[in-house]
Amino acid sequence: NAGVTQTPKFRILKIGQSMTLQCTQDMNHNYMYWYRQDPGMGLKLIYYSVGAGITDKGEVPNGYNVSRSTTEDFPLRLELAAPSQTSVYFCASDAQGTDTQYFGPGTRLTVL
Amino acid sequence: AQSVAQPEDQVNVAEGNPLTVKCTYSVSGNPYLFWYVQYPNRGLQFLLKYITGDNLVKGSYGFEAEFNKSQTSFHLKKPSALVSDSALYFCAVSLKISSGSARQLTFGSGTQLTVLP
Repeated sequence: NAGVTQTPKFRILKIGQSMTLQCTQDMNHNYMYWYRQDPGMGLKLIYYSVGAGITDKGEVPNGYNVSRSTTEDFPLRLELAAPSQTSVYFCASDAQGTDTQYFGPGTRLTVL
Repeated sequence: AQSVAQPEDQVNVAEGNPLTVKCTYSVSGNPYLFWYVQYPNRGLQFLLKYITGDNLVKGSYGFEAEFNKSQTSFHLKKPSALVSDSALYFCAVSLKISSGSARQLTFGSGTQLTVLP
């Protein structure tokens, strides 16, 4: 099992550009999550999904969109990048009823 | 609203000595509590969790944590620290966020543990 994988590892965007952060898990987990981690802070939930075709907003969803067309994939879309979106983005997943989330290695995004 | 506090940004301990990383929480109802560790340029790794039962929870790599309801604390401990334990440690509390069993983790700000040889 590769677990939770994320691509790319690093990215620099200009203000106004768009990009998609990819997240894939091979553990057949129903639940998937996107968090962002700002310097010196804990993680904050952006969006989550409880299964294919079902997504919902977390604590800080503004400026982001997600989709969940398959159990394995949960991409995060930034449409108009802003400097405030400079952060490290983590994807996580867990199986229904286990309460333990497993995290990917993260994507470090810088918006200039 | 639920919250987690880690009062120490940095903890230094000599190799072989016991270590403690502190965490206090504020939630309504029964808390689901977690410890995660983050090594440089890596994702978070699950260490242990408390849901119910015995107040002393044992986890990976020899770590354990003690749940104290009266003090609303969940301190992480290890009897004998290793240099390889040096990392960033996060305490988290889990809140149910949907009609299913999906849960949002609310994290503390993290504690950098440095184990000195």
